Amino acid sequence: QVQLQESGQGLVKPSETLSLTCTVSGGSISSSSYYWGWIRQPPGKGLEWIATIYYNGNTYYNPSLRSRVTMSLDTSKNQFSLSLSSVTAADTAVYYCARRPWLLVAFDVWGQGTMVTVSS
Amino acid sequence: EIMMTQSPATLSVSPGERATLSCRASQSVSSNLVWYQQKPGQAPRLLIYGASTRATGIPVRFSGSGSGTEFTLTISSLQSEDFAVYYCQQHDSWPPLTFGGGTKVEIK
Repeated sequence: QVQLQESGQGLVKPSETLSLTCTVSGGSISSSSYYWGWIRQPPGKGLEWIATIYYNGNTYYNPSLRSRVTMSLDTSKNQFSLSLSSVTAADTAVYYCARRPWLLVAFDVWGQGTMVTVSS
Repeated sequence: EIMMTQSPATLSVSPGERATLSCRASQSVSSNLVWYQQKPGQAPRLLIYGASTRATGIPVRFSGSGSGTEFTLTISSLQSEDFAVYYCQQHDSWPPLTFGGGTKVEIK
């Protein structure tokens, strides 16, 4: 069965760029059957969708973050990544990667999440 | 952007009782509504999609209903493992995908 695992910086300084990677095992990110996404959750708060990417590289971003976000695929490593620039304390959150089947506009498999803290 | 509002924020229920959670959209989302369950320290888990279809492996005590702007998640007989936070999410008009603020179901 497919599994997702986030990795990346746990601590980022204000104004710098947050970079995270999601490694997919048990399935291929090159499959046309799936989209891949990032969702975050500030401590004690709700969920916020960040971005989604399709196997062909088409990306969809949250307009509130669009100017600072880049999402990409690395098919050779079966990974996808997130880059968020000019971070502030408001970007402190648990970041989840997740899978969205093409026909099911819902995230059906999630990574365990990784905590990212923005602090000097 | 479609705003999703969940109520109540906290629901206190005794084990074995029924729980009814509400989700309201700021404009019609048809049946393009999803429910997730999240337990402390865990990632969300997909419960319901298409407003009323249970995801794979979800017990029949979970049911979803509604369309347009008003949706309900019902847990017919709460089990100990059901105490968690529940989120709704719309995908009718995106980006952005938007989530409700969540309803915490706690033990009464």
